[in-house]
Amino acid sequence: AQKITQTQPGMFVQEKEAVTLDCTYDTSDQSYGLFWYKQPSSGEMIFLIYQGSYDEQNATEGRYSLNFQKARKSANLVISASQLGDSAMYFCAMSLYNFNKFYFGSGTKLNVKP
Amino acid sequence: GAGVSQSPRYKVAKRGQDVALRCDPISGHVSLFWYQQALGQGPEFLTYFQNEAQLDKSGLPSDRFFAERPEGSVSTLKIQRTQQEDSAVYLCASSLRSSGIGELFFGEGSRLTVL
Repeated sequence: AQKITQTQPGMFVQEKEAVTLDCTYDTSDQSYGLFWYKQPSSGEMIFLIYQGSYDEQNATEGRYSLNFQKARKSANLVISASQLGDSAMYFCAMSLYNFNKFYFGSGTKLNVKP
Repeated sequence: GAGVSQSPRYKVAKRGQDVALRCDPISGHVSLFWYQQALGQGPEFLTYFQNEAQLDKSGLPSDRFFAERPEGSVSTLKIQRTQQEDSAVYLCASSLRSSGIGELFFGEGSRLTVL
């Protein structure tokens, strides 16, 4: 069975500082993808970053980077230079190669303080 | 529009009423998913369509839940005899891919409140 675990229900970070949101996953499949989504109060899920299980380099997208440690089965999201607009719920998700469903974690609520 | 569109955005139903939630995916997207998101939780998979074929409905919580996508584009999630535990945000997502791994594009959701 597949499972995503996010152990931080809430996080605070000072504006302009970096923050790491934790995510661990469990699967016996070798081919999978890991995703991070942002969900502001408006409700829409916004794609942030993707890491494939065979990718050797950590993914980066602007201020977002994914710290992928395959042996530990962790896929932490790092947000550099936090902005007030980063305040939202963040979800880690996994998809298997057969791509018929995404598995989501319970989310982390990030609050950026001015 | 260019994104996934869901309607209604908000629905209040009395317990026992039937509701229908509509999803208009991005044009040309083969795969369509429905998720249920309870307050403060992550989305939970309900069902998956590839074109008009419903390939996975393992997440539907009961036989009161029914989904269809008859022409392979617009999809409707129907909930019969609504119960209070059905109160949640129902998210629709679509993807261009039918296999492999690709990004899901989500709508803004339909928030259902059952009184």
